Amino acid sequence: GQQVMQIPQYQHVQEGEDFTTYCNSSTTLSNIQWYKQRPGGHPVFLIQLVKSGEVKKQKRLTFQFGEAKKNSSLHITATQTTDVGTYFCAGRPGGGNKLTFGTGTQLKVEL
Amino acid sequence: KAGVTQTPRYLIKTRGQQVTLSCSPISGHRSVSWYQQTPGQGLQFLFEYFSETQRNKGNFPGRFSGRQFSNSRSEMNVSTLELGDSALYLCASSPGTANQPQHFGDGTRLSIL
Repeated sequence: GQQVMQIPQYQHVQEGEDFTTYCNSSTTLSNIQWYKQRPGGHPVFLIQLVKSGEVKKQKRLTFQFGEAKKNSSLHITATQTTDVGTYFCAGRPGGGNKLTFGTGTQLKVEL
Repeated sequence: KAGVTQTPRYLIKTRGQQVTLSCSPISGHRSVSWYQQTPGQGLQFLFEYFSETQRNKGNFPGRFSGRQFSNSRSEMNVSTLELGDSALYLCASSPGTANQPQHFGDGTRLSIL
């Protein structure tokens, strides 16, 4: 079954509001990757976090890797319509080789 | 650099038929992974090929198979198609060393009638 869960499944926000998606694994992840898939498109790699407690920023996006390396979050400040899409986390549970994608969070931004 | 190329983009088949999908990775990438994406199940890992060898396999029935050629191009085959096989099939390539990001193609949209 799915070992990497994301919440929420869907999120509607008004433009300018903040957004956060959470990624949780039942087992330790060696690292965590984040991808964005625009409607009708394919997943595009955003960032990778490796160290426990690591925080990385890309403009309005802030990515965090939990201390126990079992969870991660993506926070978007002041959303824009260009942020619309589905955000996936991905990792290798239990140190295995298979890249497992989270269930995804679909973000819709309304004007 | 050209991106990952998948062909065909769209395909319509009927139950019981078989289908072959193709993926050309980014030049220099040796790893090719296949994923099935459906609204209900999200992105499910099918298998990964590296240097013509299957390196990892997901939890799909034996009707799903693949192979990789010496030029790293990969094909995926699904036999005895079922209605539930309707999905977007995505291919992703990476250099093949540990923890590299996946570069996805646009996918093949497979519809089973």
